Amino acid sequence: NAGVTQTPKFQVLKTGQSMTLQCAQDMNHEYMSWYRQDPGMGLRLIHYSVGAGITDQGEVPNGYNVSRSTTEDFPLRLLSAAPSQTSVYFCASRRPGLADTQYFGPGTRLTVL
Amino acid sequence: DQQVKQNSPSLSVQEGRISILNCDYTNSMFDYFLWYKKYPAEGPTFLISISSIKDKNEDGRFTVFLNKSAKHLSLHIVPSQPGDSAVYFCAASAGAQKLVFGQGTRLTINP
Repeated sequence: NAGVTQTPKFQVLKTGQSMTLQCAQDMNHEYMSWYRQDPGMGLRLIHYSVGAGITDQGEVPNGYNVSRSTTEDFPLRLLSAAPSQTSVYFCASRRPGLADTQYFGPGTRLTVL
Repeated sequence: DQQVKQNSPSLSVQEGRISILNCDYTNSMFDYFLWYKKYPAEGPTFLISISSIKDKNEDGRFTVFLNKSAKHLSLHIVPSQPGDSAVYFCAASAGAQKLVFGQGTRLTINP
């Protein structure tokens, strides 16, 4: 099993550009989440999904869109990148009801100029 | 409103001694608490957890203590090893739903 994979590993964008961060998991987990990590702020939840076709907002959803058409994939879209979105983004997946089975991907480091 | 707080951004401990990382929370609905460990350029990995019905959980060199009345949990690592140098995040959830993370503490183990 590959676990949780994320692409790309690094990305530089200009303000106003759009892009999609990809996340895939092969563990058949129902729950998937996107977090951003900023210095002194820890990991903050952006959006999450409890199953295909079901998504909801987390703590910091503004500027990001998600969709969940399959169990395996949970892409994160930045429609118009802003410098405040410079961060490290982590995707995670887990089974419902067992918070300690949450597995994280390796992260995407995004810089918005 | 930071519901989970790790007030020490960094901690330095000598190899072989005990490392104690602290975490405070404000939401009394939290019923499950976890510690994650993160190395540079990697995603966090699960370390140890504790349910609110317990006050201690032990796994090898790692022990988590929960004081519900003080809304405080701590992670003890003994003996500390160089490979323990990493950033440690505490996290909490209410009813196995969303995880809320603290800011993290960078632990450095000195030889």
